[in-house]
Amino acid sequence: GQNIDQPTEMTATEGAIVQINCTYQTSGFNGLFWYQQHAGEAPTFLSYNVLDGLEEKGRFSSFLSRSKGYSYLLLKELQMKDSASYLCAVRDGDYKLSFGAGTTVTVRA
Amino acid sequence: IAGITQAPTSQILAAGRRMTLRCTQDMRHNAMYWYRQDLGLGLRLIHYSNTAGTTGKGEVPDGYSVSRANTDDFPLTLASAVPSQTSVYFCASSETGTNEQFFGPGTRLTVL
Repeated sequence: GQNIDQPTEMTATEGAIVQINCTYQTSGFNGLFWYQQHAGEAPTFLSYNVLDGLEEKGRFSSFLSRSKGYSYLLLKELQMKDSASYLCAVRDGDYKLSFGAGTTVTVRA
Repeated sequence: IAGITQAPTSQILAAGRRMTLRCTQDMRHNAMYWYRQDLGLGLRLIHYSNTAGTTGKGEVPDGYSVSRANTDDFPLTLASAVPSQTSVYFCASSETGTNEQFFGPGTRLTVL
């Protein structure tokens, strides 16, 4: 099975930077995903890491350290529309995804 | 149809009744999945299908069944609903098991 931990809530100011950490313990590892989910909506794909290092995509970046079982999602130049839940998900040796409980980010003006 | 659709959008169901949640995708994705999402627990995999004609059990399969007769459709059936099955159900698909998953809009199910 999988054990995936991420903070429950974070609050930040518009224009600031927020880093959402995710730690995991898995039976096999085939990649880590980050999804964004606005209230009442479906999750949407943000990023994917399978090798160690930083993946940058516009205002969002994701980092992975496989040896530490650790990832983070970095949101820069925060906008009000970034208020959402951010889900960390790990793909195991059988290529199934296990999700963390999600981190609710609130952006304040 | 574009992407993944789910029906119904929401449903209130009496305990003991049978219910089928429908999921259809038009992306010709091979893999499809059913999750339930509960507050504080995140998304949990119920059943999955890597290709038409095959299905597998996820983390929380008890009380649910699925079928995959063709590529596009992946219905989820609750044979005899119980209140603990009250949840938001998401269907998802991916090109293969190695790609990112795309999610449908969800079905909010309440079992009384």
